[in-house]
Amino acid sequence: AQTVTQSQPEMSVQEAETVTLSCTYDTSENNYYLFWYKQPPSRQMILVIRQEAYKQQNATENRFSVNFQKAAKSFSLKISDSQLGDTAMYFCAFMKSRAAGNKLTFGGGTRVLVKP
Amino acid sequence: KAGVTQTPRYLIKTRGQQVTLSCSPISGHRSVSWYQQTPGQGLQFLFEYFSETQRNKGNFPGRFSGRQFSNSRSEMNVSTLELGDSALYLCASGRLAGSTYEQYFGPGTRLTVT
Repeated sequence: AQTVTQSQPEMSVQEAETVTLSCTYDTSENNYYLFWYKQPPSRQMILVIRQEAYKQQNATENRFSVNFQKAAKSFSLKISDSQLGDTAMYFCAFMKSRAAGNKLTFGGGTRVLVKP
Repeated sequence: KAGVTQTPRYLIKTRGQQVTLSCSPISGHRSVSWYQQTPGQGLQFLFEYFSETQRNKGNFPGRFSGRQFSNSRSEMNVSTLELGDSALYLCASGRLAGSTYEQYFGPGTRLTVT
């Protein structure tokens, strides 16, 4: 079974600064997908960024970027130029290849607080 | 395009009762997944439906069941409710994006069992 670990329960960052969230996972699969989801206090889960394991290039979405290290099974999220609206729980998630269906395995989450 | 909708948003039930939650996916999405979120256990996968068939199932007792209709709307049912079933139940609607699936979540149904 796959496991996803987020070792930082909470992090705080000053507005406009950069914060990096860590995520490690354990799997014997070669093809899989990794995601970061954001859950603001309103509770609506939002997809932030995704990465296909077969792609070497790290994914980027505006101020959000990942550092994907397949051999180390590490998938960190960097939030640049942090904004107050980035305050939320962030979840790292793993999904096996599409043929296995759409089951996400989540990490325990990291609470990010952006301070003005 | 409308997002994933879940009804009801809040629900209070008594132990032993049963409950049905509903999820309407984004138009055109054929995959619907359900997750349970609690402070203690975090986010746990319940099951996934694709084209009216259950494709994946998590490690939950048989009291938890679901189904999907021909219009892709999905329902999940919990029978003989226990206090530990109190949770936020999230539904996710899936679509093919390149070579992978993306899942878009609904706002959730907050179930409280007393």
